[in-house]
Formats: sequence, structure tokens, C-alpha cells
Amino acid sequence: DVKVTQSSRYLVKRTGEKVFLECVQDMDHENMFWYRQDPGLGLRLIYFSYDVKMKEKGDIPEGYSVSREKKERFSLILESASTNQTSMYLCASSTLWGLLGKLFFGSGTQLSVL
Amino acid sequence: ILNVEQSPQSLHVQEGDSTNFTCSFPSSNFYALHWYRWETAKSPEALFVMTLNGDEKKKGRISATLNTKEGYSYLYIKGSQPEDSATYLCAPLGGGYQKVTFGTGTKLQVIP
Repeated sequence: DVKVTQSSRYLVKRTGEKVFLECVQDMDHENMFWYRQDPGLGLRLIYFSYDVKMKEKGDIPEGYSVSREKKERFSLILESASTNQTSMYLCASSTLWGLLGKLFFGSGTQLSVL
Repeated sequence: ILNVEQSPQSLHVQEGDSTNFTCSFPSSNFYALHWYRWETAKSPEALFVMTLNGDEKKKGRISATLNTKEGYSYLYIKGSQPEDSATYLCAPLGGGYQKVTFGTGTKLQVIP
């Protein structure tokens, strides 16, 4: 089974802190994604990456950056956390080879910024 | 932003009722459509991946149809059970197919 692991289930940070959310997948998938989920707004795409060192902005990239130095790891960075970044963050990975881009999700990180 | 609409936004049904919901998406440059089920306190899990116009997929009591020409997909649940309670998300993949954008989902609650 594909496993997508997010480093923390719950995280509490203070306004202005630099925050790293880590995601690791073990299936050699080319694509990795970061989403945030807020009530009434569904899953919104922050950034995605289709290869090592490649990154593309999603629909709501402001206030975030990402890093993909290795194929299996995709990091989401909040340079200076703000209260409006309190949310559930989900990482996902996919391959187009044989699975038509089906996403496999991590268990999520609930981030609270105080 | 790919304009993906799901309706209704939420739904309450009695156990045993059948129900259906809709995902609408731009019909141009279509590659595939995904349906996911997201139960509370769990991660979203893929239900169906559909590519062909007229395609119909089935998994137990849940089925889905796809119309790529007019840009919609229906998800049906026959004889709803409390364990079907979840948010159902659709994600159409277009030309930039690595970018996967979701609809806002339909939240289903099945009342015992």
C-alpha cells in the first residue's frame, strides 16, 4: 500500500514563527501536493510539484513556499505564520502511470497559529 | 482556477434511502475525473477514477457516471447506511493534469 506520512498530526505555533510541514511518500510518485481544508471551502491547492526541484503554484500560494529536494519528500514552509493560516493541511502524492493520477493522502496536520 | 461545482453542498438522508449528487466541470480539455470519500478524522480516499464519456463505475452500493461532453458526473448511493456518512469530493483533471483541483464537496449524513 502507498504510504504518505505527514510529520505532525497537531501543531501549535505563534504568529511570526517560521513553520515547516513535512511530507514523505514511499511509492516513488512523481507528483506531490499540498492542500489546505477550511470549513465551507473544500480542499484548496497551495502548491504542487511534478519532479524533484520543480514546483508550481496552486490556487492559494500566498504566504507559503515549498521545497522538493528529494523525490520522496515535499515540504511546505510558512515563512511567517499568521492566524489566517490556521487550518488543516493535507499532503498527497500521485503518479500518472497506470493510476490516472489518483491521489493518495496523508493523515493531515492541524495547524493552529496563535 | 478550474471551475468545479458540486451540489448539493450538504445532504441528510434516512438510512435505507438512495441518494445522488452532482459534480460539474468544464468539458474542454478533459483528461480524467476522480471521486473521493472523506470520512471525519480520516484522509480522503479515492472511490473512482473515470476517463471515458459514458463511463459507469460501481463499488458495492456506490456508483458513478460520467458525461464529458456536457461536463458532469453523478455519484449514486443505493440504500444509504450510516457508514456512508462522509464528504464526497470530485476532482476533474484537465490539460494541466498534474494540477488537481477539488470541488467543495457534498457532505452526506445518513440518519439511522
